[in-house]
Amino acid sequence: EVQLVESGGGLVKPGGSLRLSCAASGFTFIKAWMSWVRQAPGKGLEWVGRIKSKTDGGTTDYAASVKGRFIISRDDSENTLYLQMNSLKTEDTAVYYCTTDPVGISGFDYWGQGTLVTVSS
Amino acid sequence: QSVLTQPPSASGTPGQRVTISCSGSSSNIGSNTVNWYQQLPGTAPKLLIYSNNQRPSGVPDRFSGSKSGTSASLAISGLQSEDEADYYCAAWDDSLNGIFGTGTKVTVL
Repeated sequence: EVQLVESGGGLVKPGGSLRLSCAASGFTFIKAWMSWVRQAPGKGLEWVGRIKSKTDGGTTDYAASVKGRFIISRDDSENTLYLQMNSLKTEDTAVYYCTTDPVGISGFDYWGQGTLVTVSS
Repeated sequence: QSVLTQPPSASGTPGQRVTISCSGSSSNIGSNTVNWYQQLPGTAPKLLIYSNNQRPSGVPDRFSGSKSGTSASLAISGLQSEDEADYYCAAWDDSLNGIFGTGTKVTVL
């Protein structure tokens, strides 16, 4: 059974940092392109960024709203995806989902349960 | 930044057909495939359609997708009460980012 389990969410002050983790199991993580998607309270889905598999270059792409502040990384030995969030703003408050590749073409699609990040003073 | 525009709401009675549009541009829908997601309240999104018109296993054939030029559509035929949810289109944009549509809330009357 495929599982994606996020952790690391919580309350942080504006300007602060937080690192989210996503533990993956049930599929060949090393081959998967992985992404983060967020959803502010009562709002729609927003693509945050993705990281390709190392065999496909391991490169990252980010939404303009987080570029330069967020960093996506992966540890294939631990089947874990990370999202390092720096210089957090109140508008970064959202549920953050770990997922495979929601804009991909393969139909290989799995999501975690989401973890809430609240940025507030 | 690129946007995929959807109508905010759509509705129908049980058994009816409902169609949701997703309007983009040449840099996203015009040159890449479209996926569609269903999100029930308090849950993670679920993939309904990928690569414009492909259904993952387990998705009822009441759901169908199509694409023409810079627009895409999701059709729900034989609308059921459990179809009441938010629906999102998604696509890659050639400016090197993914984008979701603005979302459509479907109500079953």
